[in-house]
Amino acid sequence: DGGITQSPKYLFRKEGQNVTLSCEQNLNHDAMYWYRQDPGQGLRLIYYSQIVNDFQKGDIAEGYSVSREKKESFPLTVTSAQKNPTAFYLCASSISALGLGGQPQHFGDGTRLSIL
Amino acid sequence: AQTVTQSQPEMSVQEAETVTLSCTYDTSESDYYLFWYKQPPSRQMILVIRQEAYKQQNATENRFSVNFQKAAKSFSLKISDSQLGDAAMYFCAYADSNYQLIWGAGTKLIIKP
Repeated sequence: DGGITQSPKYLFRKEGQNVTLSCEQNLNHDAMYWYRQDPGQGLRLIYYSQIVNDFQKGDIAEGYSVSREKKESFPLTVTSAQKNPTAFYLCASSISALGLGGQPQHFGDGTRLSIL
Repeated sequence: AQTVTQSQPEMSVQEAETVTLSCTYDTSESDYYLFWYKQPPSRQMILVIRQEAYKQQNATENRFSVNFQKAAKSFSLKISDSQLGDAAMYFCAYADSNYQLIWGAGTKLIIKP
């Protein structure tokens, strides 16, 4: 079945440590996104990528980094510079980002990151 | 800047009844898209319904329908014949021509058996 796979489901980070969240899709979608979800708030965009080897900062990119070396994969690294990383992280993809507005985004099951 | 407001943090409805979740948005654009997503306790975000702003006809998906009032910038979701499986957080989202999704804070829907 086509879909988006996020791993791990739960992740713990120690002080000063970088951690990487995995996101893989087999939907052949061009665009991929990372969102952060905090309790009582809507989703906030961290980074998005419209095409391989290209990505753009979202509203809250500070303390995060991404790469897009393959169409299927869009990993997110939470660096030690992100001082409040405890949140639920959702990865999404869509057929395209620009020019075809309205393409729905498909989501993975999310990763919950906590601080040890 | 575009904003999306969901004024009801929580709503409850009796099973089999109808409930309406409200959403308002602010934009100066004329061409855009609106979405309702559902997030059950499993936390996966699921698309419920989608509306193109240039279409006057309200979108419908089975028991889910919207009341799209473009002039009022209102986009409410009506759930008919509510079922226990409808219990979830519901998020309203707006997409502009750059397709950056702007999300509301969500409404928690409780279904009473």
